[in-house]
Amino acid sequence: ELKVEQNPLFLSMQEGKNYTIYCNYSTTSDRLYWYRQDPGKSLESLFVLLSNGAVKQEGRLMASLDTKARLSTLHITAAVHDLSATYFCAAAPLYSGGSNYKLTFGKGTLLTVNP
Amino acid sequence: NAGVTQTPKFQVLKTGQSMTLQCAQDMNHNSMYWYRQDPGMGLRLIYYSASEGTTDKGEVPNGYNVSRLNKREFSLRLESAAPSQTSVYFCASSEWTGGYEQYFGPGTRLTVT
Repeated sequence: ELKVEQNPLFLSMQEGKNYTIYCNYSTTSDRLYWYRQDPGKSLESLFVLLSNGAVKQEGRLMASLDTKARLSTLHITAAVHDLSATYFCAAAPLYSGGSNYKLTFGKGTLLTVNP
Repeated sequence: NAGVTQTPKFQVLKTGQSMTLQCAQDMNHNSMYWYRQDPGMGLRLIYYSASEGTTDKGEVPNGYNVSRLNKREFSLRLESAAPSQTSVYFCASSEWTGGYEQYFGPGTRLTVT
């Protein structure tokens, strides 16, 4: 059974600082997703990482995937208040009889960026 | 395109009542999903439908039933609501093009008293 662990679960940052959110998963996976959720809102897709070594960047956020270490990271550069939200990672198992459609989500990281 | 739509947005039920949550997508996706989100628990998969005509249990299916009415619509039914089913429910859809990236609806906030 695929398990996904994020850390930290709570992160309070100052504007302008850098930080990394970590996402570890327990069994072989080659697909990793990052989502953002604002309070009371739905989930918005940020990144889809489909292979070992994949790196994607959008603005101040950069995500990477290391399938050998079963680790994905979401790096925040020079944080701004607008990045305050909950960030989720989710992983999908390698194909096994049709279950590769399913995602297992981490519990989320609540990021607060303070002025 | 509206993407994924859900109705209702909010609902209050008494214990034992039944209701159906509706979900529709206009992206021509084959796969659809129902999740529940509880504080501190992330999202947990209730049921999913890999394609029209098929449905399968997810992590927390007890107390729920689903119907894949057609390619666009996937409904979730609570036959006899319980307070433990108080949650926010999200529907999502995906397709292989794009690596099965899931697109989420706006959610239904359900309270069972």
